[in-house]
Amino acid sequence: QVQLQESGPGLVKPSETLSLTCTVSGGSISSYYWSWIRQPPGKGLEWIGYIHYSGSTNYNPSLKSRVTISVDTSNNQFSLKLSSVTAADTAVYYCARSKEGSGRRWFDPWGQGTLVTVSS
Amino acid sequence: EIVLTQSPGTLSLSPGEGATLSCRASQSVTSNYLAWYQQKPGQAPRLLIYGASSRATGIPDRFSGSGSGTDFTLTISRLEPEDFAVFYCQQYSSSPITFGQGTRLEIK
Repeated sequence: QVQLQESGPGLVKPSETLSLTCTVSGGSISSYYWSWIRQPPGKGLEWIGYIHYSGSTNYNPSLKSRVTISVDTSNNQFSLKLSSVTAADTAVYYCARSKEGSGRRWFDPWGQGTLVTVSS
Repeated sequence: EIVLTQSPGTLSLSPGEGATLSCRASQSVTSNYLAWYQQKPGQAPRLLIYGASSRATGIPDRFSGSGSGTDFTLTISRLEPEDFAVFYCQQYSSSPITFGQGTRLEIK
């Protein structure tokens, strides 16, 4: 079955840009929506945004000014860039899949998550 | 933005008992576009329920979801030891997608 794996630096300095990639294996990136979701240590879940394999995006307004999500269909990957990070951006970052079609934006499956710490 | 409020914050029960978790929305969730997830320590969330009442693939039938509009419930009948975890609701009725703050189900 399809599996998702996040990768990227585990430590980012304040004011710099956080960059993560999610690699999709066992299935095609086409015909789905792909999201980034984060979870600060000991806290709840926050949806960051999603991208359709066609390239259309939808971002959480709370992060929209700092977020870019892109897709690379040839390599079955999609990526997250979050600029001007602060300690408040320290979190486990998950990638996840949603189905196409109206009202199908639940998340299944999820990647295992990767902890990103913002610190100098 | 739809705010989801889950209650109780923590639920202490024994294996074999039944559990009722609540998720209340600040405005109506259109077409029951609500999901439930289970998260164990150090793991990613796992989809349990979508469309308020449809079980995801491989989810035991002791998990059930119900509700509509602004009030939704996740019911776990006959708790098994592996069921104890944190549970989140999520709405996908309107953007931005939002999650509840979670309910911790702990062993009494």
